[in-house]
Amino acid sequence: AQSVTQLGSHVSVSEGALVLLRCNYSSSVPPYLFWYVQYPNQGLQLLLKYTSAATLVKGINGFEAEFKKSETSFHLTKPSAHMSDAAEYFCAVSDLSNFGNEKLTFGTGTRLTIIP
Amino acid sequence: DTAVSQTPKYLVTQMGNDKSIKCEQNLGHDTMYWYKQDSKKFLKIMFSYNNKELIINETVPNRFSPKSPDKAHLNLHINSLELGDSAVYFCASSAEAIRESSYEQYFGPGTRLTVT
Repeated sequence: AQSVTQLGSHVSVSEGALVLLRCNYSSSVPPYLFWYVQYPNQGLQLLLKYTSAATLVKGINGFEAEFKKSETSFHLTKPSAHMSDAAEYFCAVSDLSNFGNEKLTFGTGTRLTIIP
Repeated sequence: DTAVSQTPKYLVTQMGNDKSIKCEQNLGHDTMYWYKQDSKKFLKIMFSYNNKELIINETVPNRFSPKSPDKAHLNLHINSLELGDSAVYFCASSAEAIRESSYEQYFGPGTRLTVT
């Protein structure tokens, strides 16, 4: 079974500071990893994804994540936080080799607060 | 153009009632999903359908019955609503994972169900 652990349910950073949201995964097969963002009262939007290509993945809004197999991690970073980054962030894992059963298993989410 | 739409956006009802949530996607995708997000923001898959065929049923009470009249629609009917059914329900869709790099699930805006 696949699972995802997000360390820190709440993260606060100052505007302009580095954003680091942590995600560790557990998977018996090569994982496919995703970061989604959820703004208040909205649906989920894909930030970026890792699907066995380059280990450093760049996404929208200046976010990027690095897949580290040795650490089973897929941490999300952004060099300089902006007020508009305040949202809930979800890491998810999927087994795309299981055709027709490509469900996403989500972590518990990290609420990012930006301090002016 | 809305890619994945859900109706209604808000649904308030009493215990014991039966209600439905509708989902439509105009992306031409083959697979559609229902996810439940509880009050702690935890997201968990409930069902997935591929070309109108049920693929995933994640131990959801049989009071929940998905129906897919065609591959662009996946509705969720809930019988005998209980207080614990209060949550935000998200619909999502995806294309076949023919190329892993292209795989993505697109989410609707969610339906906030409140059972009183």
